[in-house]
Amino acid sequence: DAGVIQSPRHEVTEMGQEVTLRCKPISGHNSLFWYRQTMMRGLELLIYFNNNVPIDDSGMPEDRFSAKMPNASFSTLKIQPSEPRDSAVYFCASSSGGAKQPQHFGDGTRLSIL
Amino acid sequence: GENVEQHPSTLSVQEGDSAVIKCTYSDSASNYFPWYKQELGKRPQLIIDIRSNVGEKKDQRIAVTLNKTAKHFSLHITETQPEDSAVYFCAASGSSASKIIFGSGTRLSIRP
Repeated sequence: DAGVIQSPRHEVTEMGQEVTLRCKPISGHNSLFWYRQTMMRGLELLIYFNNNVPIDDSGMPEDRFSAKMPNASFSTLKIQPSEPRDSAVYFCASSSGGAKQPQHFGDGTRLSIL
Repeated sequence: GENVEQHPSTLSVQEGDSAVIKCTYSDSASNYFPWYKQELGKRPQLIIDIRSNVGEKKDQRIAVTLNKTAKHFSLHITETQPEDSAVYFCAASGSSASKIIFGSGTRLSIRP
């Protein structure tokens, strides 16, 4: 079975550019999570969708970050404009029933903002 | 909100020995406690989880114990092997249905 699929795996761009990260959850999973991982702050939840609806976006750092889930098989996380402090590994995860079910992580997108 | 503290931050054990990683949580409403293993450059992977209605769970060389009164839970790895080297994260659910809060991670190294 295919796991959670993220693209791109690596992204290097200049400050001020728009960045779009993509995620395809496991088929049949109705919960999707976006995380950011850095050495300083560890694993942080950015936003949680349930049945394609954003339920908790309290972790989204600021208005430069936005996330959408137009259907059950696709989600995007956008940063516009990007800043060097956004450099991190961004993970997408999905589960079959919220945060209290096992979350399956994608391979992540390593983002570097120059 | 929930706060999870994890200790130690680094742990080195001789191959074949046991390793123990401990976490404490603050929200007494937490009822789901997963553990994730993350190898260098890879994604976090769930290795075991426990719910608050049980005190212990085992899966081969891995076990997790939960003390709800003291609000702490621990990961035990027996007969450690080189492939156990990784960063291990504990997490707790808190009272929210929408998130789990991760500990800061323990870097486990297995000495040959």
